[in-house]
Amino acid sequence: AQSVTQPDIHITVSEGASLELRCNYSYGATPYLFWYVQSPGQGLQLLLKYFSGDTLVQGIKGFEAEFKRSQSSFNLRKPSVHWSDAAEYFCAVVREKLTFGTGTRLTIIP
Amino acid sequence: DAGVIQSPRHEVTEMGQEVTLRCKPISGHDYLFWYRQTMMRGLELLIYFNNNVPIDDSGMPEDRFSAKMPNASFSTLKIQPSEPRDSAVYFCASRRDRDEQFFGPGTRLTVL
Repeated sequence: AQSVTQPDIHITVSEGASLELRCNYSYGATPYLFWYVQSPGQGLQLLLKYFSGDTLVQGIKGFEAEFKRSQSSFNLRKPSVHWSDAAEYFCAVVREKLTFGTGTRLTIIP
Repeated sequence: DAGVIQSPRHEVTEMGQEVTLRCKPISGHDYLFWYRQTMMRGLELLIYFNNNVPIDDSGMPEDRFSAKMPNASFSTLKIQPSEPRDSAVYFCASRRDRDEQFFGPGTRLTVL
């Protein structure tokens, strides 16, 4: 069965600092991987996705993620966070249904 | 396309009343999903449809919950009778094949 683990429930970073959110997946075949962001009171918005090809994928809002098959990871990164990046971030894998991780809440401090 | 449309955006009702949430998926999408999100339980998949057919309803909490998809452009999630513990944000989402899943804005349900 497919599963997604986000080991960090809550992360706090300073504005301007770099960010890495961790995601590990368990899946029997080549996974389709996604990162979604949810701002307070809003729905989920896709940041980026990986299906195949280049293992470093670029997304919206300056985010990128790297697929590492050997580590079963798909970590999300941003070189310099902005206060508007404060939100909940979900990693997900899809076979037929989309399986979400439990989410990582990102807090930005000035 | 206008995206996934959900109505109502907010619903306040009293315990015991019937609640119907509505969703219009994006045209051409063959999968439709209903999720519930609470602080305590996070994002839970309730049920999903493929080509209007319910595929997996194992996430539906109990018999008080039911979902239908009479055609490719409309789905409902019904709670009857509603209880305070059903208070949550309910999201509908749709996608084509295994591509990006698009979420609606959600319906915030409060059961008093």
